[in-house]
Amino acid sequence: KAGVTQTPRYLIKTRGQQVTLSCSPISGHRSVSWYQQTPGQGLQFLFEYFSETQRNKGNFPGRFSGRQFSNSRSEMNVSTLELGDSALYLCASSSGGDGEQYFGPGTRLTVT
Amino acid sequence: AQRVTQPEKLLSVFKGAPVELKCNYSYSGSPELFWYVQYSRQRLQLLLRHISRESIKGFTADLNKGETSFHLKKPFAQEEDSAMYYCALRYNNNDMRFGAGTRLTVKP
Repeated sequence: KAGVTQTPRYLIKTRGQQVTLSCSPISGHRSVSWYQQTPGQGLQFLFEYFSETQRNKGNFPGRFSGRQFSNSRSEMNVSTLELGDSALYLCASSSGGDGEQYFGPGTRLTVT
Repeated sequence: AQRVTQPEKLLSVFKGAPVELKCNYSYSGSPELFWYVQYSRQRLQLLLRHISRESIKGFTADLNKGETSFHLKKPFAQEEDSAMYYCALRYNNNDMRFGAGTRLTVKP
């Protein structure tokens, strides 16, 4: 089984721009969760999508949004980028029940 | 509010010594707790979960609801155990809260 994939792996953007990150879950998994990882704040939960619906949401501003497609692939969008958005963004997929979460390699976003 | 605390950012032990990585949680409901591990240049991966009550790579963790703890233990640390360890709490389906992580270094 192919693992969770994330594209792109690295991204450099300028403050004020917007960015879209993509996550392809393991085949058959219907849940995709997104996390932000920074040295200062650690791993923080952004949101979770299950069957194209946002099921859970963390404490992030509305600039952070996401969606999930019918094939379970998910995208995360950050608008009006700030320097503090520089981070490793991880996605994880699971079957959606009490199944194990499998993590992708992450997208390293740098905002200059 | 749900919270996971890992009080040690860094932990260093010698090979063959026992190791304990501490994790405390705050949650009013019935918790589901996990330990994740990230080896150098690898993805974050599940090490163990409290409901399975199994030992993985010699590690065990017991949920203590009275002390709201889920400490990770191994009686004899190995150099290959050196990694970043995260304790996590799951509630509301897949809403997860992670601790700040503990970097374990096992010295030869």
